[in-house]
Order: sequence, then C-alpha cells, then structure tokens
Amino acid sequence: AQRVTQPEKLLSVFKGAPVELKCNYSYSGSPELFWYVQYSRQRLQLLLRHISRESIKGFTADLNKGETSFHLKKPFAQEEDSAMYYCALSAPPYALNFGKGTSLLVTP
Amino acid sequence: DTGVSQDPRHKITKRGQNVTFRCDPISEHNRLYWYRQTLGQGPEFLTYFQNEAQLEKSRLLSDRFSAERPKGSFSTLEIQRTEQGDSAMYLCASSPVDREAFFGQGTRLTVV
Repeated sequence: AQRVTQPEKLLSVFKGAPVELKCNYSYSGSPELFWYVQYSRQRLQLLLRHISRESIKGFTADLNKGETSFHLKKPFAQEEDSAMYYCALSAPPYALNFGKGTSLLVTP
Repeated sequence: DTGVSQDPRHKITKRGQNVTFRCDPISEHNRLYWYRQTLGQGPEFLTYFQNEAQLEKSRLLSDRFSAERPKGSFSTLEIQRTEQGDSAMYLCASSPVDREAFFGQGTRLTVV
C-alpha cells in the first residue's frame, strides 16, 4: 500500500533561517514524488517533482530511496514562503497520494 | 483563464439532497482526477479518468457518489442523498500523460 507521512503539522521559522519539511513514504516499487504548495486563497500548485531535479523558488528535494524520504529544503526562508506544503506520491495507476500537509510559517 | 475550472465554487445543500459538480480540465489533458479535502487533511483521491474511461475508484467513493466524463472532456461528480459527512472541498485536477497534475480551485460543499 502507498502511504505518505508528513510528521509536522506546523513548522515555524524566522526569516533567513534554513527550513526542512519532512516527508517519508512507503511503497514497494519506484514511485514518483512531488511537492505541492498552496498559498493563502490560491489553488494547489506543483512546487517540484523529483525526476526534474530542479530548484524552484530556492527549494530543493532529494529522493532518498534507502530512507524512503523526500524532504523539502531551503537554505534561507522568506516570508512569502509561508504556505501549506503537501508531499505526494504517484505510482501505478498514477493518481497522486498526498500526505496531510505541513503549514510553514515564516516570521520576520 | 486556461486552467482547470470548477463550478460551482460553493454549494450549500440540505441533508438528503443530490448535488452535482462540474470540472472543465485543461484542454487536451487526457487524465482527470477528483479529490476530496477536509479540514486538516491532504487531498484524498476519489476517482480517475483517462479520456472517457474511469480507470480507478477509491474505496472512499461510496455508491452515493458517481462520476462521469462522457466525451473525454469535462467531468461531473454527483453525490446522492448527501450527508453531513460529505461536507468538504472537492478538487478536480487534470494532466497530460506522464506530467504533473494541475488543480482547480475546488468546490466547497456544506451539507446542513
């Protein structure tokens, strides 16, 4: 069975501090992992996917198959990063399976 | 706006009534998904279409729920005999094959 776990419901950091949002998954095969973000009053949107290996808005995430993790990191948080972040897994037959989300609050 | 469009944005209904929501995906996206999101939870998968074929249904989709995508374009989600537990945000998403899903803004259902 597929499962995505985001252990932190709320993460509060100061502006300029590093931030790491944790995501662990369980799946026996080779899944595709995503981070989606939802800013206040906006729709859910893709932040990044592991196969593209991009850095978006300063965020990066590395898939660690040994630890079954896909943590989201940013070295210097900005106030505009405050949002709800969801980790998601996609495996056959390809619907996204989401974690419960982590609310990131960046304070000045 | 060429994104995924959902209608209505808000729906208040009395318990026991039927409701229908519509989703217009991004043009040429052959995959369409329905999700449900309640407070404090991530989106939960309900069902998935590839073109007009409904390929997967979650066990969350009771027999009161039915979804269609008759011509492989827009989709409807109907809930019959609504219950208070059906109150949630219903999200639609679409994607091309092997690409990320794009979400609509959702339909917020309140059952009173």
